Amino acid sequence: QVQLQESGPGLVKPSETLSLTCSVSGTSIRSSSYYWAWIRQSPGKGLEWIGSIYHSGRINYNPSLKSRVTISADMSKNHFSLKLTSVTAADTAIYYCARNWYQLFNWFDSWGQGTLVTVSS
Amino acid sequence: DIQVTQYPSSLSASVGDRVTITCRASQSITNYLNWYQQKPGKAPNLLIYGASNLQSGVPSRFSGSGSGTDFTLTINSLEPEDFATYYCQHSDTSPLYVFGQGTKLEIK
Repeated sequence: QVQLQESGPGLVKPSETLSLTCSVSGTSIRSSSYYWAWIRQSPGKGLEWIGSIYHSGRINYNPSLKSRVTISADMSKNHFSLKLTSVTAADTAIYYCARNWYQLFNWFDSWGQGTLVTVSS
Repeated sequence: DIQVTQYPSSLSASVGDRVTITCRASQSITNYLNWYQQKPGKAPNLLIYGASNLQSGVPSRFSGSGSGTDFTLTINSLEPEDFATYYCQHSDTSPLYVFGQGTKLEIK
């Protein structure tokens, strides 16, 4: 069974960089047809896709966040990571990692439990 | 960019009722529309993909329909565990993934 687990600081200061890691078990992030995604959820904006990475290194970003986001993957550790720079209070959200089926209908079929990140001084 | 508008934003119903939630796209998205259920404190869970295909393990009382711009999620004979928030999701070819605003289904 596929399991994803987010980890990282729950509190980040304004203007600093948010860094999270998603550890994947039960499957390899080298799996064909699957990207690996970051999605966040805040009360004001609902669910927002941040970006997705494929094991080949191909990465897709949400244009609204692209200038501040970097997603990377470590195949040896079977995990992938998110960095979001210059954070503000608007970046306060629950951050989820998810498996992203990237064929035909492009859905998210396995999710981590989510981790709350608060941006505050 | 394609927008998806979901309605109603909230809905009250009773156990055993049949409910319908709608998602409307700003232009045709053929059948590139997925539905999720989210319970409080939990991550979303995929219910329907490709507008009408039931994800493995999802009860058959859930169904999806529609194509083009108008889509519906129907839950027949509501069970107590169905009271949750539901989201639609579209992806275009960029890809850019867009979620609806959510529909909170509450017990009447």
